[in-house]
Amino acid sequence: TQLLEQSPQFLSIQEGENLTVYCNSSSVFSSLQWYRQEPGEGPVLLVTVVTGGEVKKLKRLTFQFGDARKDSSLHITAAQPGDTGLYLCAGAAGGSNYKLTFGKGTLLTVNP
Amino acid sequence: DSGVTQTPKHLITATGQRVTLRCSPRSGDLSVYWYQQSLDQGLQFLIQYYNGEERAKGNILERFSAQQFPDLHSELNLSSLELGDSALYFCASSTGTGGFGETQYFGPGTRLLVL
Repeated sequence: TQLLEQSPQFLSIQEGENLTVYCNSSSVFSSLQWYRQEPGEGPVLLVTVVTGGEVKKLKRLTFQFGDARKDSSLHITAAQPGDTGLYLCAGAAGGSNYKLTFGKGTLLTVNP
Repeated sequence: DSGVTQTPKHLITATGQRVTLRCSPRSGDLSVYWYQQSLDQGLQFLIQYYNGEERAKGNILERFSAQQFPDLHSELNLSSLELGDSALYFCASSTGTGGFGETQYFGPGTRLLVL
């Protein structure tokens, strides 16, 4: 069974601070996705990374896929209250198996 | 708004009962996925249907079943409910079979409370 461990589980910071959250596994994934989930809503896809070492930027968010495709990180620069939410990573094993395995998430609170 | 609709939004029932959750996918999407989200287990994939046929199975209990109808809406049936079944149930949809690079769009979820 492939597992994804996310850390930290909770993070509370002030507006303007930088932060990094992590998603780690002992398994190799063909692709890894990051989602943000806000209270009362379903997860929304932010990015998909597929190549080991790949870095993708989405405004103030930077996503990196580890060289061995077992881990990923999400860095947010100058966090804003609108960044508050549950950040989930999800991996796909690949081949004929594209079922997503989700981590339990990092709950981020950005205080004004 | 993802375009995926789920009803009801909230459901309160008793142990031993049976409930049905409904999902309408985005227009044109052929795949529907069901997930369960709880505090201790996180978001867990239950089952996927593609164009009316079961496509993939995850951690779905035997007490749970699903189907996708000709109009592509889907229903998740939960029976002999237990306290531990209390969770958020999400439906997602995608255009094709769910292969590489395909985006899943999640609905707002149904919050189930079993008392």
